[in-house]
Amino acid sequence: KQEVTQIPAALSVPEGENLVLNCSFTDSAIYNLQWFRQDPGKGLTSLLLIQSSQREQTSGRLNASLDKSSGRSTLYIAASQPGDSATYLCAVGQTNAGKSTFGDGTTLTVKP
Amino acid sequence: GAVVSQHPSRVICKSGTSVKIECRSLDFQATTMFWYRQFPKQSLMLMATSNEGSKATYEQGVEKDKFLINHASLTLSTLTVTSAHPEDSSFYICSARGRATGELFFGEGSRLTVL
Repeated sequence: KQEVTQIPAALSVPEGENLVLNCSFTDSAIYNLQWFRQDPGKGLTSLLLIQSSQREQTSGRLNASLDKSSGRSTLYIAASQPGDSATYLCAVGQTNAGKSTFGDGTTLTVKP
Repeated sequence: GAVVSQHPSRVICKSGTSVKIECRSLDFQATTMFWYRQFPKQSLMLMATSNEGSKATYEQGVEKDKFLINHASLTLSTLTVTSAHPEDSSFYICSARGRATGELFFGEGSRLTVL
């Protein structure tokens, strides 16, 4: 059974700082890994999708990496802004159609 | 990116009534949709996998007679909370998986309050 862990559970940084969020998974036979952002009381917004054959994906100030052999993914946020404050979740998909396993998320607070 | 729409965003109902929540994929066909429940400050709890044209697959501990799921078309899945009680009050979210990449897209969520 796949288990996904996100560390830290909460993170507070001053504006402008670069930061890394971590996601680890126990079963390396994955189809893809996806990072999401969730604002309070809202649904999830997809940030980056990494297929199992890929090592990283980039979008603006965000960069996500994937190391299947070690069961790890990181989400790098450059030059953080207060608007980045949210909960970030990673989700591991085992197949292209089945359910994904979610971590519990990292709640990020970026202070002005 | 692909859009998933969920309706209603908020609903308040009396205990004992049934509530239906709709999840639509607006610009792609989704053979599989997922329904989640989320408690305050907690992560998503998968309730069931909705399969177009067939019965939903429920996670362990989720009452299928309580939470009725129908996936009648490739763009619409519905969740009906039957005989709702205050303990059913929660945030319900749906997602659909794009066929080409397997990317998950989420609806905006529905907050149910049962009085």
